[in-house]
Amino acid sequence: GNSVTQMEGPVTLSEEAFLTINCTYTATGYPSLFWYVQYPGEGLQLLLKATKADDKGSNKGFEATYRKETTSFHLEKGSVQVSDSAVYFCALSDRGLGAGGTSYGKLTFGQGTILTVHP
Amino acid sequence: NAGVTQTPKFRVLKTGQSMTLLCAQDMNHEYMYWYRQDPGMGLRLIHYSVGEGTTAKGEVPDGYNVSRLKKQNFLLGLESAAPSQTSVYFCASTRGGTGYNEQFFGPGTRLTVL
Repeated sequence: GNSVTQMEGPVTLSEEAFLTINCTYTATGYPSLFWYVQYPGEGLQLLLKATKADDKGSNKGFEATYRKETTSFHLEKGSVQVSDSAVYFCALSDRGLGAGGTSYGKLTFGQGTILTVHP
Repeated sequence: NAGVTQTPKFRVLKTGQSMTLLCAQDMNHEYMYWYRQDPGMGLRLIHYSVGEGTTAKGEVPDGYNVSRLKKQNFLLGLESAAPSQTSVYFCASTRGGTGYNEQFFGPGTRLTVL
């Protein structure tokens, strides 16, 4: 089955530090990969996505590259801000399952990484 | 647009009580999902629906039932609550069809079962 593994948290950084959150996956098909962010007291929001090998997703200064050879999708940001403090989830959506070749958009999530950024 | 809304936001139940969580979306999305979020375990899919009148089991369906009588609403029911169902519940929706459509999440319902 599908699975996603993220680096253990929590991660604590000072403002303007470099961020990396590791994510690796196991999938039976050829998945799409996502990073979602959850700010305190809120639901999840899509941060970025990549749908094929070597694609780079980017948004709000965050980047992640789909690495099929290492089954990874690590999240990076060059200079974090206090407002980036949140929980980050790596996720995958497999395709080619279910009737008509669709996976019905089901997501498999990693366990989440808590990021705290101090001024 | 309100997006995805969930009611209630908080609830405390005693073991054996029942309740229904309501999810509503105003984006005309075909697919809807119920997840539960537990510490250190990410989000796990309980049930999902790919259209009005359809439902299917996800990863952790036991102890829950769902209904999708209207396209915009997806209800999650607990017939006899257990302490193991203490969790934060999220509803999500997406346009559906082929492709890689973003899932939109509600703000969550925090449920405590005593």
